Amino acid sequence: AQTVTQSQPEMSVQEAETVTLSCTYDTSESDYYLFWYKQPPSRQMILVIRQEAYKQQNATENRFSVNFQKAAKSFSLKISDSQLGDAAMYFCAYRSPLWGFGNEKLTFGTGTRLTIIP
Amino acid sequence: GAVVSQHPSRVICKSGTSVKIECRSLDFQATTMFWYRQFPKQSLMLMATSNEGSKATYEQGVEKDKFLINHASLTLSTLTVTSAHPEDSSFYICSAPSRGNTGELFFGEGSRLTVL
Repeated sequence: AQTVTQSQPEMSVQEAETVTLSCTYDTSESDYYLFWYKQPPSRQMILVIRQEAYKQQNATENRFSVNFQKAAKSFSLKISDSQLGDAAMYFCAYRSPLWGFGNEKLTFGTGTRLTIIP
Repeated sequence: GAVVSQHPSRVICKSGTSVKIECRSLDFQATTMFWYRQFPKQSLMLMATSNEGSKATYEQGVEKDKFLINHASLTLSTLTVTSAHPEDSSFYICSAPSRGNTGELFFGEGSRLTVL
């Protein structure tokens, strides 16, 4: 079974600074999806960024980028120019590449609570 | 806008009663939906996979007789917590896979259940 580990329960960053959230995972599959989801106080899960394992290029979405190290099974999230609205729980998640029969399910890490200091 | 809608967002019930939570996919069909449970300050734990037209698949340790799942149509899955007890109080979140090739799940707004 796949596992996802987030070793930082809490992180804080000064507004406008950069912060990196760590995530490692374990899998025997060669292809898969990785995601970072954000859960603000409203509890709504919001997709931040996604990465397909077969793509070597790191995904980028505006101020959010990842450092995907497939051999090391590491998938960190970098948030640049941190804003107050970035404060939330951040979950790293893994998904199998298969479709159907429930294979689309996500396995989540334990989360990192990000605080933005004004 | 939201592509998965969950209702109710909050529910309070007495111990021993049953509560139904609905999860709807908006503007797309979902043959599969997933139900997660989240305790305070914890991660999302998969409870079960809801399959349209067939029985749900439950994760190990989840009581299928307590958490009844019905996926009667391609846009609606329901989770019924039967004979609820205070320990069932939690945040329940449903999700449905994107129909495209992005691989992501769309999540409902979640339902906070409090059992008195």
